[in-house]
Amino acid sequence: ILNVEQSPQSLHVQEGDSTNFTCSFPSSNFYALHWYRWETAKSPEALFVMTLNGDEKKKGRISATLNTKEGYSYLYIKGSQPEDSATYLCAPDILTGGGNKLTFGTGTQLKVEL
Amino acid sequence: NAGVTQTPKFQVLKTGQSMTLQCAQDMNHNSMYWYRQDPGMGLRLIYYSASEGTTDKGEVPNGYNVSRLNKREFSLRLESAAPSQTSVYFCASSEYRWKQLNTEAFFGQGTRLTVV
Repeated sequence: ILNVEQSPQSLHVQEGDSTNFTCSFPSSNFYALHWYRWETAKSPEALFVMTLNGDEKKKGRISATLNTKEGYSYLYIKGSQPEDSATYLCAPDILTGGGNKLTFGTGTQLKVEL
Repeated sequence: NAGVTQTPKFQVLKTGQSMTLQCAQDMNHNSMYWYRQDPGMGLRLIYYSASEGTTDKGEVPNGYNVSRLNKREFSLRLESAAPSQTSVYFCASSEYRWKQLNTEAFFGQGTRLTVV
């Protein structure tokens, strides 16, 4: 079983705060690192897919960085808004003999309060 | 655009009954996945299929079987349902090719299964 750890498990912030989460994963057989946003009662939606060490990606107020050598990724949210409330999942895409295998961490649950 | 379609959306089974969850995608993706979501456990991979005709076990395969019927369809079968299989099941697909960068997964809307 692939050991994917996300921290913190949950987070409460005030509107306007900036925040960040961590995803750590085994670095062997690494192919890509995915971040997903998952709102309650909906399906997960992709935020970023990163493949190269040192990759940085940005979408609006959300950005992510990747360190494949040490096996971690950070997700940053600048100026959190209530609509950012969701669970944020990371998933390392690991190469196996039969193709890629997308295994998720347990997620960081973010609640942004007014 | 349909994307990934799962059926049914809701199902109640009695212990010992069998059923098949259906999943179809219209994006011509190679890879397909079945996950279950349980409180505090995130998404756990049950089975995945890297291409038509191939399937592999994920983290929690016991009690399940899968069939990759063709490139579009990937079904999940519970042969003898147990209360521990009460969960929300998600199917997903992605385009995996060697050196392909855009391999994000697209998810179905989920199937809420209750085993009593």
